[in-house]
Amino acid sequence: NAGVTQTPKFRILKIGQSMTLQCAQDMNHNYMYWYRQDPGMGLKLIYYSVGAGITDKGEVPNGYNVSRSTTEDFPLRLELAAPSQTSVYFCASSYGGTGELFFGEGSRLTVL
Amino acid sequence: DAKTTQPPSMDCAEGRAANLPCNHSTISGNEYVYWYRQIHSQGPQYIIHGLKNNETNEMASLIITEDRKSSTLILPHATLRDTAVYYCIVRVHNAGGTSYGKLTFGQGTILTVHP
Repeated sequence: NAGVTQTPKFRILKIGQSMTLQCAQDMNHNYMYWYRQDPGMGLKLIYYSVGAGITDKGEVPNGYNVSRSTTEDFPLRLELAAPSQTSVYFCASSYGGTGELFFGEGSRLTVL
Repeated sequence: DAKTTQPPSMDCAEGRAANLPCNHSTISGNEYVYWYRQIHSQGPQYIIHGLKNNETNEMASLIITEDRKSSTLILPHATLRDTAVYYCIVRVHNAGGTSYGKLTFGQGTILTVHP
């Protein structure tokens, strides 16, 4: 039981490049989330999904896209990377809409 | 979701109890108190949650005042590995609509456990 797995752990992008952060969970959780955490700050919700085929925006969705084709996977797509997207990205999952979330170890992204 | 107020930092000696306070004076009747911690930029880790009764699990105890306007997370025997940022979060337990997954993480309390 691996929990929530994120890849890659580290990535450096140039301005304008695109990439996808991968997130997979093996707990059969229906809810999945993407958060970002800037240095010294709390987490902010980017997108969330309540099940396969259903996604919705969180607090800071601009510059990102998501899809949820399976229960297990919830990739986050960054289009036209900007320095403001330099952050640590955390994927999380939960069973139902409870506040008990399981987080991955994070993906550290730097945009230069 | 109600806002919370936590001290920015606290110290604790190894082996002693760590008592982390949280004020949530605007909490609503259907909102729970959740505690998470984040160890050195790892992913946040759920610790415990409660509504109005005191709660205990293998990690910690949660004491909620009778008026529910404040709470205390207790780590009974702190170890060096408990050094982390601790977040107190208030929200409805099983949310709907725009509250799905919206855990509002503030600045938290940096707990440093000393040898």
